[in-house]
Amino acid sequence: GAVVSQHPSWVICKSGTSVKIECRSLDFQATTMFWYRQFPKQSLMLMATSNEGSKATYEQGVEKDKFLINHASLTLSTLTVTSAHPEDSSFYICSAPQGGTYWGYTFGSGTRLTVV
Amino acid sequence: AQSVAQPEDQVNVAEGNPLTVKCTYSVSGNPYLFWYVQYPNRGLQFLLKYITGDNLVKGSYGFEAEFNKSQTSFHLKKPSALVSDSALYFCAVRPMEYGNKLVFGAGTILRVKS
Repeated sequence: GAVVSQHPSWVICKSGTSVKIECRSLDFQATTMFWYRQFPKQSLMLMATSNEGSKATYEQGVEKDKFLINHASLTLSTLTVTSAHPEDSSFYICSAPQGGTYWGYTFGSGTRLTVV
Repeated sequence: AQSVAQPEDQVNVAEGNPLTVKCTYSVSGNPYLFWYVQYPNRGLQFLLKYITGDNLVKGSYGFEAEFNKSQTSFHLKKPSALVSDSALYFCAVRPMEYGNKLVFGAGTILRVKS
């Protein structure tokens, strides 16, 4: 089945530094990638939608300059948390929709970000 | 507004007993419906989906769900629960007018005790 590989699985960084999270579609072309943020024991909050070859679309209230999203190719989308602060600590998950005979979504394994 | 409700924060069931995790939705049109399971510090794993056709959908790990259009529900069920089923379960809906975006319920923690 389709796989989205997300790295790193966990990362600890110092306040003020930037962290990049990568999501790669391994066996299909992901023209769209959704980026979610999840707080402990809570649901997923959609942050933004990236589309290959165009600018990402951010949900209301999400800071574009803090959460930089790039969709460089049909198999790679990245989320960079810039000038991270402790309140950015969270679990980040990517997801790619698929059409065709299999209609659904494939999720990455998530990234646990801790900012100290 | 498009929304998904999972009315129970937590469901407790004894191993071997049937389980039900409830989901109702409020969307216009004919939505696509999904159930996902999440284990701690992991991404979401697909269980099953309803797109069209038979209202009873069978999915992974012995789970099934019934689409009820009149009640706008899509409850997740399993005839015999396992301890390993303990996890966080999400119901999600893709409203037709939202493009490919998913709307998630708040999630339900399932605890299966031996």
